[in-house]
Amino acid sequence: DAKTTQPTSMDCAEGRAANLPCNHSTISGNEYVYWYRQIHSQGPQYIIHGLKNNETNEMASLIITEDRKSSTLILPHATLRDTAVYYCIVRVWTSYDKVIFGPGTSLSVIP
Amino acid sequence: GAVVSQHPSWVICKSGTSVKIECRSLDFQATTMFWYRQFPKQSLMLMATSNEGSKATYEQGVEKDKFLINHASLTLSTLTVTSAHPEDSSFYICSRQGQGGYEQYFGPGTRLTVT
Repeated sequence: DAKTTQPTSMDCAEGRAANLPCNHSTISGNEYVYWYRQIHSQGPQYIIHGLKNNETNEMASLIITEDRKSSTLILPHATLRDTAVYYCIVRVWTSYDKVIFGPGTSLSVIP
Repeated sequence: GAVVSQHPSWVICKSGTSVKIECRSLDFQATTMFWYRQFPKQSLMLMATSNEGSKATYEQGVEKDKFLINHASLTLSTLTVTSAHPEDSSFYICSRQGQGGYEQYFGPGTRLTVT
C-alpha cells in the first residue's frame, strides 16, 4: 500500500469548513483513497473513499487532484463532535484486505 | 446502529493472568476480521487477521503464542492475551469488512489494563 503524508494537527473554527490535506504521491492506478476518523477512545469510523473522481456523502466531500497524488477531505460545517484524528489511507480495494493506519491528523474544532 | 461489538469494553487484570476479548459481527457473517492494538497517543497497529475456520495471520513482530486468536464462527472472533504483563496494557480494537466491500466497520474497542 502507498504511503500517505498528513499534517500532524489542525484547528478549525466551529461552523467553518475543515479542509484536511493528504499527500500520496506514490499511489498506484488501482489504489483508492480512503478516509477514516477516530474520536477519542472509540473505534475508527469510515468516512468516504474515492478513486479519481470527487466524491460527496452525508459526512464529507473528497477532492482528489487530477494526478491523484494528493487529496483533501472537506467537512463543510465543522462541529465540536468532529474533533477527532483523521486518517488518510491508500489501498487496493479487495474484499478482505487489511487497513494499515498512519499517524493521521488530529483535528480540533474550536468553539 | 453498531455492526461490530466488543466485550468487555474495559478490563483490569493482574500480571500473569489471561484475558479474553470478544468481537462480534452483529449483522453480517464475516469470514475475515481484524485485530488492532493502540497505545496512548499512537495510531492503530494491526496485529492479526482472523480467518473463520483456519489459523489467524499475524503481522510481523506479533507473538502468536501470546495473542491467541480464535474465529470459530462467522460472527465471533476472540483475542486472548495470555500471561498478560503491564506492557500489554492497551486499547484493543477489532474490525470487519463491510458488505459493500470497501469500508471497514470497527468495534468500540476494549481497554485492557494489566496491574
